[in-house]
Amino acid sequence: EAGVAQSPRYKIIEKRQSVAFWCNPISGHATLYWYQQILGQGPKLLIQFQNNGVVDDSQLPKDRFSAERLKGVDSTLKIQPAKLEDSAVYLCASSPRAYPGTKDTQYFGPGTRLTVL
Amino acid sequence: AQKITQTQPGMFVQEKEAVTLDCTYDTSDPSYGLFWYKQPSSGEMIFLIYQGSYDQQNATEGRYSLNFQKARKSANLVISASQLGDSAMYFCAMREVSSGGYQKVTFGTGTKLQVIP
Repeated sequence: EAGVAQSPRYKIIEKRQSVAFWCNPISGHATLYWYQQILGQGPKLLIQFQNNGVVDDSQLPKDRFSAERLKGVDSTLKIQPAKLEDSAVYLCASSPRAYPGTKDTQYFGPGTRLTVL
Repeated sequence: AQKITQTQPGMFVQEKEAVTLDCTYDTSDPSYGLFWYKQPSSGEMIFLIYQGSYDQQNATEGRYSLNFQKARKSANLVISASQLGDSAMYFCAMREVSSGGYQKVTFGTGTKLQVIP
């Protein structure tokens, strides 16, 4: 089965520009996550979708970040305008069930490495 | 308080030797899950092993085992017979039920393991 797909893999932009990332989860997976991983740190959850509804966006900087999940499948994460501190790897992950149990692991995509100059 | 604490920023191990990576956690939820992930320099997050809070036995997956000490709230990863390909970042993560009733995953800051030939 195909894994979680993300694009682009790399992106370099200047501060105050806009950028969008795309994620296609594993087919049939109900839960989708976006994480931000700054160099040398662990992933930080930005937003979690169950089907096409948001269940947690408490750490999403809503003044500049937005995300949507189209028809409960693909998702896009947008940053507008970008700041220097947004330089990070953005990881998308998915889980099979709409309400993952404690043992349900996440399947991660390859990530998008964003550099803001 | 930190939910997940990994106190070893970096570790070295000789090839073919065993190594233990430390992880302590903090939760008041009686039902939770603990995960270890490997992140090579290529960036993808690879699931290694899972331990449930109610599991009576320590989890094992090939060369990976989890030393689960519930009373001490520790979930250390043991890698036996280290290989050069084990050189990577290792993240401990915990899944618990959030106040909103959905499962939430928190990652530690990671340990960089380097295997020496």
